Amino acid sequence: KAGVTQTPRYLIKTRGQQVTLSCSPISGHRSVSWYQQTPGQGLQFLFEYFSETQRNKGNFPGRFSGRQFSNSRSEMNVSTLELGDSALYLCASSSRRGQGQTDTQYFGPGTRLTVL
Amino acid sequence: KQEVTQIPAALSVPEGENLVLNCSFTDSAIYNLQWFRQDPGKGLTSLLLIQSSQREQTSGRLNASLDKSSGRSTLYIAASQPGDSATYLCAVRGLGNLFFGTGTRLTVIP
Repeated sequence: KAGVTQTPRYLIKTRGQQVTLSCSPISGHRSVSWYQQTPGQGLQFLFEYFSETQRNKGNFPGRFSGRQFSNSRSEMNVSTLELGDSALYLCASSSRRGQGQTDTQYFGPGTRLTVL
Repeated sequence: KQEVTQIPAALSVPEGENLVLNCSFTDSAIYNLQWFRQDPGKGLTSLLLIQSSQREQTSGRLNASLDKSSGRSTLYIAASQPGDSATYLCAVRGLGNLFFGTGTRLTVIP
């Protein structure tokens, strides 16, 4: 099976711009989660989607949004970029169905976003 | 709010040595705990997943234990190799999502 893929791998934007990142989960996985990784804050949960519905959301401002399509592919969008948004954005997929389902999360290689 | 701590933050060992990485968490109401490794600039690779009802899991030279009541997990690496050099992260699954530790950067010296 192909792993989780993320595009693009690298992005450079300027403050005030917006950006869209894409994630394709492992075939058959319907749960997709997004994380932000920075040297100062570590890995932080952004949101989780399951069957096109946002199921959980982390503590991030409304500038961060996402969606999931019927084929389980997901996108996240960051509007009005700030310098502090520079980070590695990681996507993970799992076969998790219910809220209480235990699962293994499989991560993509990430998108490195640099905001100038 | 769940807080996950990993000690030590960095560790250097000579090749062949056995070592233990530690992870502690504040809320014992978890579904599972997962150990990952991350190579520089790369994504995360899942190493072991321990369900909340389990005490340990083994994969090759790796053994992870879980003590939910005390909020602790350890990752034991036997006969370390230079290829084991990476950052190791533990993450606990609560109702909503994964909470990650700060990681331990491991360097295995040939």
